[in-house]
Amino acid sequence: QVQLVQSGGEVKKPGASVKVSCKTSGYTFTTYGISWVRQAPGQGLEWVGWISPYGKTHYAQKVQHRVTMTTDTSTSTVYLELRNLGSDDTALYYCATDDWNTFEYWGQGTLVTVSS
Amino acid sequence: QSALTQPPSASGSPGQSVTISCTGTSSDVGAYNYVSWYQQHPGKAPKLVIYQVNKRPSGVPDRFSGSKSGNTAFLTVSRLQADDEADYSCSSYGGSDMYIVFGGGTRLTVL
Repeated sequence: QVQLVQSGGEVKKPGASVKVSCKTSGYTFTTYGISWVRQAPGQGLEWVGWISPYGKTHYAQKVQHRVTMTTDTSTSTVYLELRNLGSDDTALYYCATDDWNTFEYWGQGTLVTVSS
Repeated sequence: QSALTQPPSASGSPGQSVTISCTGTSSDVGAYNYVSWYQQHPGKAPKLVIYQVNKRPSGVPDRFSGSKSGNTAFLTVSRLQADDEADYSCSSYGGSDMYIVFGGGTRLTVL
């Protein structure tokens, strides 16, 4: 079965960087791209960006100057790095398979807390 | 402020039907048939219940249906059950600039 397993929660200070991983299994890695979606406490879902299995990326305008997504095809793992963190980056970050703009399989979420 | 507009809450009694709206623009919902709906129980990851406006993933009961009219998409949950109580969020493809936009979510309460 398709599984996306994310790395554990992180606590960072303002201005720091964070790197979250999403290890996929149960399907051929080149079948789907991966999107990252975040959810601030008590808020709705917000799309952060997308990466193809081959490394092509598309980022949300809000974070495009601070975000980098990468893939490691040898381990079927996708990474999200977000730099210059601010308090409004505090959120639960999800990775999800992206098949024609449809997110069918989701990771369990990684809580990133930005606090001084 | 979310790009797509949903009512913050909706409710219905067991056995009844409820419809949730998702209003966008002619650049997203109105332009593409890539509207999805996600169900999210507290503390859980979202679950896809409708994709491409009106298609159901395997395993989602036919009590869940989707439609679209102009710039507004709709999710209808029929024959409400207690386990349907959750947050429901819509999303739409928004073109090469916006890519994916979400609604703010609707909390469905089963009375």
